Amino acid sequence: QSALTQPPSASGSPGQSVTISCTGTSSDIGGYNYVSWYQHHPGKAPKLMVYEVSKRPSGVPARFSGSKSVYTASLTVSGLQAEDEADYYCGSYAGNNIWVFGGGTKLTVL
Amino acid sequence: QLQLQESGPGLVKPSEPLSLTCTVSGGSISSSSYYWGWIRQPPGKGLEWIGNIYYSGSTYYNPSLKSRLTMSVDTSKNQFSLKLSSVTAADTAVYHCARRGGVTFDYWGQGTLVTVSS
Repeated sequence: QSALTQPPSASGSPGQSVTISCTGTSSDIGGYNYVSWYQHHPGKAPKLMVYEVSKRPSGVPARFSGSKSVYTASLTVSGLQAEDEADYYCGSYAGNNIWVFGGGTKLTVL
Repeated sequence: QLQLQESGPGLVKPSEPLSLTCTVSGGSISSSSYYWGWIRQPPGKGLEWIGNIYYSGSTYYNPSLKSRLTMSVDTSKNQFSLKLSSVTAADTAVYHCARRGGVTFDYWGQGTLVTVSS
């Protein structure tokens, strides 16, 4: 069982928006603004999409946005494109130099 | 562009140690700005943080693995390594190495599958 809880799947049609949630506790998501989101196409290296809840690394489209409310972080993908189909994982700092991750959400573009 | 590449045996027998190396290219492992980490993904499951190491050798381990885990760094080769002792089938996973910048893992390797089986 992963430390952070994500829905196993999400889907949307091209052009639509989809939001993926990530629920933790007061020890991780609720305690720090250090949530990250990663995109993983199987067989490839995971890619950082969002860090510190809502910041995007250079090169990540603005269609990807992050937010947090209490113990739940969210990743919203707007204007879905076929290449967005991938597995998405959340991660959070949990204090004491420990990191935790979620179980992953498979995003399908219909 | 920074690249990380994992290497090591793809098959390990139960009770034996698992050893992996991550080779970093396109950047120096001795940078004071970064830690270097290992993350694994068992088949059909989510990601699990294993541990982080600084170029000086300072380490932070997942408490659930700490008793079996040793991480090391070789700055001359721009590599860092993982050794997990007394493995069981539960240690079967894709093992990724990654760079930790600040409070996130900003560059990852594509991972290597390690199967624990006799």
